[in-house]
Amino acid sequence: EPEVTQTPSHQVTQMGQEVILRCVPISNHLYFYWYRQILGQKVEFLVSFYNNEISEKSEIFDDQFSVERPDGSNFTLKIRSTKLEDSAMYFCASSEVRQGANVLTFGAGSRLTVL
Amino acid sequence: AQRVTQPEKLLSVFKGAPVELKCNYSYSGSPELFWYVQYSRQRLQLLLRHISRESIKGFTADLNKGETSFHLKKPFAQEEDSAMYYCALSEAYNTDKLIFGTGTRLQVFP
Repeated sequence: EPEVTQTPSHQVTQMGQEVILRCVPISNHLYFYWYRQILGQKVEFLVSFYNNEISEKSEIFDDQFSVERPDGSNFTLKIRSTKLEDSAMYFCASSEVRQGANVLTFGAGSRLTVL
Repeated sequence: AQRVTQPEKLLSVFKGAPVELKCNYSYSGSPELFWYVQYSRQRLQLLLRHISRESIKGFTADLNKGETSFHLKKPFAQEEDSAMYYCALSEAYNTDKLIFGTGTRLQVFP
């Protein structure tokens, strides 16, 4: 069964450093997403991406965040200057068509720890 | 604002007992509702969605618009059902995002 792959599985960084989280969505999927889950809290939508541009973003996705599809397979989330409160599990997901009644396939997550 | 509420953080039952994981939502339109499950050390995956009206691994969930609920039920719990269960809502075609509840951990004891 096809999977969404995320790297790294865990990253520890110093506050103020830039972090890039990588995702390889399922190959025939067209829509890509990032969600995050702060420890003990709910999974929250960050951003969706389609046709090489952001389709929708939440209020959490401020100027320190950016997403990119640098080649035909990778989908990245960059956090420019990390803050302590960015510590969370970040989930990438993809879907064949736009989320709605459709199904998301999630990656295993990247745990980010900001010290 | 749209909201999904799962009132129980933890639900513990013995094997063979019935299970009901509660989910209530607030949304004025016609939502799409989902249950996602996360087994230990595994990724978040879809369990079922209300439009499919199907039973997966013995679980069912009925959308009750009057009570704005989408409770997940199974008549006889199995140990392998132990996992984290998340109820989620989508506005369907108006938005890309899923709104998740805080999750309920189901523990099934032998």
